[in-house]
Order: sequence, then structure tokens, then C-alpha cells
Amino acid sequence: DGGITQSPKYLFRKEGQNVTLSCEQNLNHDAMYWYRQDPGQGLRLIYYSQIVNDFQKGDIAEGYSVSREKKESFPLTVTSAQKNPTAFYLCASSPYRGRASTITQYFGPGTRLTVL
Amino acid sequence: AQKITQTQPGMFVQEKEAVTLDCTYDTSDPSYGLFWYKQPSSGEMIFLIYQGSYDQQNATEGRYSLNFQKARKSANLVISASQLGDSAMYFCAMRATSGTYKYIFGTGTRLKVLA
Repeated sequence: DGGITQSPKYLFRKEGQNVTLSCEQNLNHDAMYWYRQDPGQGLRLIYYSQIVNDFQKGDIAEGYSVSREKKESFPLTVTSAQKNPTAFYLCASSPYRGRASTITQYFGPGTRLTVL
Repeated sequence: AQKITQTQPGMFVQEKEAVTLDCTYDTSDPSYGLFWYKQPSSGEMIFLIYQGSYDQQNATEGRYSLNFQKARKSANLVISASQLGDSAMYFCAMRATSGTYKYIFGTGTRLKVLA
């Protein structure tokens, strides 16, 4: 079945440690996205990538880093520079080509990160 | 600047009744798309329905319909015959053709369906 997988589902980290969240998709989508969601809040864009080996900062990129070496994969690293990393992280993907406004974004199940 | 506004933080509806979730948007782009997503307690965002700015008819998908009023810049979601499983957070989102390929999300509405 085609879809987006994120691992792990729950992640615990000690302060000062970097941690990498995995996101893989087999939908053959060109674009991939990372969002952060805090309790009771909407989604805020961290990074997005429209094509392999290219990515752009979103609205809250400070303290995060990404790579896009393969079309299927878009891992997110939460660095020790991120002051308040405890949150729910959602990965998404969408097709790149076609009428831009019609392109639907699909989401993975999310990773809940807790800093101890 | 583009913006999505959802003014209802929480809503209650009786099972089997219809409910409308409000969404207003702001954009200067002539072409844009509007989306609704459902987020159950598990956390995953589930795509429900899409409306294009040039679409002449309101979108419908099963029990979901989108009441699109372009002049008022509103894109309200209507859920007919509510079910207990409809209890969730609902997010309105927009994607404009400005070339940034970014999606803008509202703050969401929490819907509780009562038995």
C-alpha cells in the first residue's frame, strides 16, 4: 500500500541531545514537508523540499535541520539548539507537477517527541 | 499575506444532525486551493475535501460538503448526519499558486458529537 511512514511513533530525548525523525513515502511524490504541532494549536511549517537535493526553510526552521538525498526520504534532525522541542511532528508529501492549487498534501502518522 | 481563520475553537453536535465548521481566508492570489483535514486523537491528518478557487460548484465528498462563498472569502465545511466517529479536530488549509508551494493552516475546530 502507498503511504507515508514516520518512525518512531514516540521519542524521548535528554536535553542537549540531537535526535533524528524519520519520514519515508512511497507515493512517488516530489515535495515533502515537516510540520510542528503544539497542544491545541495548528500546524507550523519547519522545512519543505520540492525536489531531491533541495529544501527551503519554513516559518520555524531555527534549531532544526533536514536532508533530501532520496526522493522517498526526508529526515528531520532536532538539534540541541531548539529551545523547546517537545511537540508532535508531522511529515507530509504532495505531487509537484500539475495545477499548483489542486495539489493535495498527504500526511504521515506523526512522531511525538518529549524532551526529558 | 495569506491567512486562514477558524473562529470556532470547539463545537458540539447531536448525533445524526448536520454541523457547519467555519473557515475564512485571505489571499491576493487569483488562483488557490482550499482543503479540509480531520485529525482524530491518534494525531494523523486525514484529507477530507478540496475546493479550487475557479471551481463553479461546491465540492462534495460523501457526507462532507464545502460551502464556498468566494466573494466573502469563506470555505465552510458541512458534515451531514454526524456520527460519533466524526469527533476530532478539523483544520482548514489553503495553497496558493504563488510558487512557494506552502500550505497555510488554520488553528482548528474541535468537534464533539454527542450520542
